[in-house]
Amino acid sequence: ILNVEQSPQSLHVQEGDSTNFTCSFPSSNFYALHWYRWETAKSPEALFVMTLNGDEKKKGRISATLNTKEGYSYLYIKGSQPEDSATYLCAFRMDTGRRALTFGSGTRLQVQP
Amino acid sequence: DTAVSQTPKYLVTQMGNDKSIKCEQNLGHDTMYWYKQDSKKFLKIMFSYNNKELIINETVPNRFSPKSPDKAHLNLHINSLELGDSAVYFCASSTTGGGNTIYFGEGSWLTVV
Repeated sequence: ILNVEQSPQSLHVQEGDSTNFTCSFPSSNFYALHWYRWETAKSPEALFVMTLNGDEKKKGRISATLNTKEGYSYLYIKGSQPEDSATYLCAFRMDTGRRALTFGSGTRLQVQP
Repeated sequence: DTAVSQTPKYLVTQMGNDKSIKCEQNLGHDTMYWYKQDSKKFLKIMFSYNNKELIINETVPNRFSPKSPDKAHLNLHINSLELGDSAVYFCASSTTGGGNTIYFGEGSWLTVV
């Protein structure tokens, strides 16, 4: 059984705050790590796909880093805005076996104006 | 244009009925998936098809049967519905390759009464 864990489970911040979340995954048989942004009643929206140790990706105010050797990824949001309120999911993919994504349970972010 | 569309979005049905959820993608992808959001809000893979061939079949009851008439469609048939089948089912698609982004539909809310 693959364990993909995200912390914290939920987070309340004020508009303008910067914040970060953690995704932990198995450090062996790594293939890819995905980050998604998921608003209620909408499709999960892909943010990043990361495949190389040390990868850093950026999209606007959101960025992510990857450490495959120790099995973690951080997602950072700089200057949070109310529209950033959503659940942020990470998903891990192995390089062996069935190769389906295994999702964490997500970090629910609420940004107060 | 919706890239991955699923119908119906909401479905309320009685125990014992047979129902289908349809999924279509217009992205030209060759791999399609069905995920189930479980009671703890995790997204879990059920099935994956590549070029109309079943490549992932997780431990789901035989009452669940996917059907892929062509690369752009992956339908989910559920026979003899049970109360425990109530969940949100997500269709998704991608190109082949573990480092490729997976695009999700908006989900189908199934309630069995």
